[in-house]
Amino acid sequence: DTAVSQTPKYLVTQMGNDKSIKCEQNLGHDTMYWYKQDSKKFLKIMFSYNNKELIINETVPNRFSPKSPDKAHLNLHINSLELGDSAVYFCASSLGRTGRYFGPGTRLLVL
Amino acid sequence: GQQLNQSPQSMFIQEGEDVSMNCTSSSIFNTWLWYKQDPGEGPVLLIALYKAGELTSNGRLTAQFGITRKDSFLNISASIPSDVGIYFCAGQPRAGGTSYGKLTFGQGTILTVHP
Repeated sequence: DTAVSQTPKYLVTQMGNDKSIKCEQNLGHDTMYWYKQDSKKFLKIMFSYNNKELIINETVPNRFSPKSPDKAHLNLHINSLELGDSAVYFCASSLGRTGRYFGPGTRLLVL
Repeated sequence: GQQLNQSPQSMFIQEGEDVSMNCTSSSIFNTWLWYKQDPGEGPVLLIALYKAGELTSNGRLTAQFGITRKDSFLNISASIPSDVGIYFCAGQPRAGGTSYGKLTFGQGTILTVHP
């Protein structure tokens, strides 16, 4: 299936741990994103990569570090997890500035 | 930064009714997108609008890009139970400047359809 996939779907961890979320798209898109959706369902951009280059870096704590090994992958590493990091994280991709196609989300719960 | 106001926040309707929701922006957008999110899933793109005044349909869904470039609406005709979900508008400014590529989302409209 052509899609945006991300793993894991659920992530439960203790405060202070380091964790990674992986994302892959096989749509041939050149731009990939990470979004955070809070408990009120508000979606906010975190990062955007175009052809492996960082083009958007919103005001996100530097504990969050994206890495794009190639155009089809964008991973998110989070250091020293905090309670407030609990949210749903969505990966998305697009061809240039067209509509974003979202992955199924990773539900992160920090205890 | 851009502000997007989406209304209504929630709607409770009977199956078969038509639905209308809209988004207004404090600044001009060059792209308007409408998404639907089902519980436990990611948002799914319904309709993309790229020109002021553009009216586009996708089955029972119709969306328009406002002439002022600061608003958009989504209509759903003859609603069915599977229309239940959260609908988001999203706007993107024109190319150039620090806002390039940033997609701003509305707060969402929660739609409930009673059979």
